[in-house]
Amino acid sequence: GAVVSQHPSRVICKSGTSVKIECRSLDFQATTMFWYRQFPKQSLMLMATSNEGSKATYEQGVEKDKFLINHASLTLSTLTVTSAHPEDSSFYICSARDEGFNSPLHFGNGTRLTVT
Amino acid sequence: KQEVTQIPAALSVPEGENLVLNCSFTDSAIYNLQWFRQDPGKGLTSLLLIQSSQREQTSGRLNASLDKSSGRSTLYIAASQPGDSATYLCAVIGAGSARQLTFGSGTQLTVLP
Repeated sequence: GAVVSQHPSRVICKSGTSVKIECRSLDFQATTMFWYRQFPKQSLMLMATSNEGSKATYEQGVEKDKFLINHASLTLSTLTVTSAHPEDSSFYICSARDEGFNSPLHFGNGTRLTVT
Repeated sequence: KQEVTQIPAALSVPEGENLVLNCSFTDSAIYNLQWFRQDPGKGLTSLLLIQSSQREQTSGRLNASLDKSSGRSTLYIAASQPGDSATYLCAVIGAGSARQLTFGSGTQLTVLP
């Protein structure tokens, strides 16, 4: 089945630094990838839709200058948390769909970000 | 705005029991509905996808139903096992052009050996 790989699985960084998270579709091409954020015991909140070769579409309330998304190829999207603060600590998950909207979404294993 | 609710929030059952997880959504204009499993600290694993034109989907011990008109879906797990312990999430994709994906808050299932 379709596999989405996310790296790193855990990262600890100091306040003010930037962190990059990668999301790769291993055995399919994904023109669209999605980035989610999940707080403890809560559901996933869509942050942005990443489109290959064009600008990402951000959900209301998500700062595009803080959460930089790049989707330079059909198999890779990156999320960079810039000037991280402790309140950015969360679980970030990406997903991709290998065909049209009739096919299921496949998720990465997530990245646990801790900002100290 | 679509809202997805899952009841119960947590459920604990003895091994071998059959169980039903519920998912309801406020806007019946959906494209499809997907059930996921999430293990602690992990990403999501897709379990079943139901198209808006379908009534149910089955995979092994899992059966998901969809009643779009009433805004409800259920996930039936037969003969539960300790390995089924996880959080189960349902998500709907809206039928609008944005194809917005909305998640429920999940049901945390514990199957006791």
